[in-house]
Amino acid sequence: GAGVSQTPSNKVTEKGKYVELRCDPISGHTALYWYRQSLGQGPEFLIYFQGTGAADDSGLPNDRFFAVRPEGSVSTLKIQRTERGDSAVYLCASSLGRGLTEAFFGQGTRLTVV
Amino acid sequence: GENVEQHPSTLSVQEGDSAVIKCTYSDSASNYFPWYKQELGKGPQLIIDIRSNVGEKKDQRIAVTLNKTAKHFSLHITETQPEDSAVYFCAASDTGNQFYFGTGTSLTVIP
Repeated sequence: GAGVSQTPSNKVTEKGKYVELRCDPISGHTALYWYRQSLGQGPEFLIYFQGTGAADDSGLPNDRFFAVRPEGSVSTLKIQRTERGDSAVYLCASSLGRGLTEAFFGQGTRLTVV
Repeated sequence: GENVEQHPSTLSVQEGDSAVIKCTYSDSASNYFPWYKQELGKGPQLIIDIRSNVGEKKDQRIAVTLNKTAKHFSLHITETQPEDSAVYFCAASDTGNQFYFGTGTSLTVIP
């Protein structure tokens, strides 16, 4: 596709369950970002990949959160033992690469933990 | 870390009037400042950006100004139209690894 694609668009899960959120970046974009957006707030940084490696994971809130990008394209954000406070919209973005280039966002995955 | 503040949180203007949204940042190392428009249920969409080596940038009805000394930057939308109604976010970055976002401005353009 032409843009960043995120699946699923909505996910409802029970407290304590494990979830995976998928991001397909724009073809050729080597940089990939995950952000979390709570209602009425701006996006908060979680993790940044350059290629296959996590170049900066300082935004991950705790060790229940983990992300991978094994082939340098698709990325998966994994959340273990979900808590109600994890409920938010999870946004993925990609850009051409290092440095200050435009980042394009997907439509997000709305995660609700009940 | 960087702290970005954004004002106002809500803004209503009559169609055809101008809208101005202001942001301040704390880290003097920040040198890239994008602005995003977010419509309901969608991801943020980049509308304009500015780098620290310029003071102003325009793109049709949209302009952004940057004052590095004062650490503030502003978005100006002229001749507003109803389709400009959305939430606007400013952001700042020094390396491109992280973007620090403001808390957003909900703009309503009244026909």
